[in-house]
Amino acid sequence: GAGVSQTPSNKVTEKGKYVELRCDPISGHTALYWYRQSLGQGPEFLIYFQGTGAADDSGLPNDRFFAVRPEGSVSTLKIQRTERGDSAVYLCASSSPRGANPLSGANVLTFGAGSRLTVL
Amino acid sequence: DAKTTQPNSMESNEEEPVHLPCNHSTISGTDYIHWYRQLPSQGPEYVIHGLTSNVNNRMASLAIAEDRKSSTLILHRATLRDAAVYYCILRDNQAGTALIFGKGTTLSVSS
Repeated sequence: GAGVSQTPSNKVTEKGKYVELRCDPISGHTALYWYRQSLGQGPEFLIYFQGTGAADDSGLPNDRFFAVRPEGSVSTLKIQRTERGDSAVYLCASSSPRGANPLSGANVLTFGAGSRLTVL
Repeated sequence: DAKTTQPNSMESNEEEPVHLPCNHSTISGTDYIHWYRQLPSQGPEYVIHGLTSNVNNRMASLAIAEDRKSSTLILHRATLRDAAVYYCILRDNQAGTALIFGKGTTLSVSS
């Protein structure tokens, strides 16, 4: 697609429920990133995929958070037993194949508009 | 990752130049300086990046100090649409890691 697409744009759920957030990256982008952003803060890194595998999941806050990217394109962020503190905007980004221009530093990330999660 | 320091907020008038500073005294030799901005209710968007030399593109210019311990993002003529949070981020080109965002600078533009 032309850009990074995230669905749903808004999700309201109750404490304790399970939530899935979907990210459709730009076609051909092998790297995919998940961030979350609380009000007034910068985006906080969660996890980064290179292809199908998680290259860095050090930002996942606890084992209630999990993300998959089974075919190396679409990714789903899964949150179990949601808590009120999980309320945030969840951002997804993708970037072009690593090594396409390794000397330029131009591994530019393209972000989606985000999924706003509200846990009541 | 090396840290960056930016002012919390800045104000500008429309049609005037804006200079957004960023300090990164612990920058390493392989760190590129990236700038992203985030307009209200949108995801961040790439603005510009550089390593050692000053850079220009259609959106902005990036001036990098000779010792690379600071840089300045320059918007030549601010418009109301430039009101956003601007993030200065260091990224090791060799590491293939994610961008780590700070709090950025909130730029307000008045007409």
